[in-house]
Amino acid sequence: GESVGLHLPTLSVQEGDNSIINCAYSNSASDYFIWYKQESGKGPQFIIDIRSNMDKRQGQRVTVLLNKTVKHLSLQIAATQPGDSAVYFCAENPFGNEKLTFGTGTRLTIIP
Amino acid sequence: GAVVSQHPSWVICKSGTSVKIECRSLDFQATTMFWYRQFPKQSLMLMATSNEGSKATYEQGVEKDKFLINHASLTLSTLTVTSAHPEDSSFYICSRRKIDDSSYNSPLHFGNGTRLTVT
Repeated sequence: GESVGLHLPTLSVQEGDNSIINCAYSNSASDYFIWYKQESGKGPQFIIDIRSNMDKRQGQRVTVLLNKTVKHLSLQIAATQPGDSAVYFCAENPFGNEKLTFGTGTRLTIIP
Repeated sequence: GAVVSQHPSWVICKSGTSVKIECRSLDFQATTMFWYRQFPKQSLMLMATSNEGSKATYEQGVEKDKFLINHASLTLSTLTVTSAHPEDSSFYICSRRKIDDSSYNSPLHFGNGTRLTVT
């Protein structure tokens, strides 16, 4: 179903440290997952995606882990920088469905 | 560079007036575009799917007569908020897939949104 939240979960991380943002998805039919970064006043920006036939995918400084057994997705950001401060959303796409459903989001703050 | 262009980036209007938001696909022709709405500190909620040459498909709870969507060409979709009220104040964002494939296993690319404030 759709996720709606009045308060975004927050995470504060010291600059240079690694961060992990978690997401639980609800639809067991989802077979494609995406992480987005949204800065204030802007649209979401694609970070990384993963298909359900994989459990890990790496990009530049980012890694996405998928655990289909418990319907859990995580985004790891290595060596965080001030520019990483933003709201991060996971999104899921059920098989054969063109619609993308977004999770609640997590506000990440990098402390200089 | 940007592949989805949205205009205007912000608009203030009086209650009862209508506002049109444009969404352009810059690098290829998109048969399908998606309109999302985001209230402060909340997630993105899909409002409707805009289909070129046919009627838009609206999500449950979204009034089709209030949020008029026109996908007149393969590069332009418009959302018109009719008879706007303060509760329609929100961040409206359009998007399209990176590639127009039928597997749907490609990410959505988003415009930079339109901040609508109804006074």
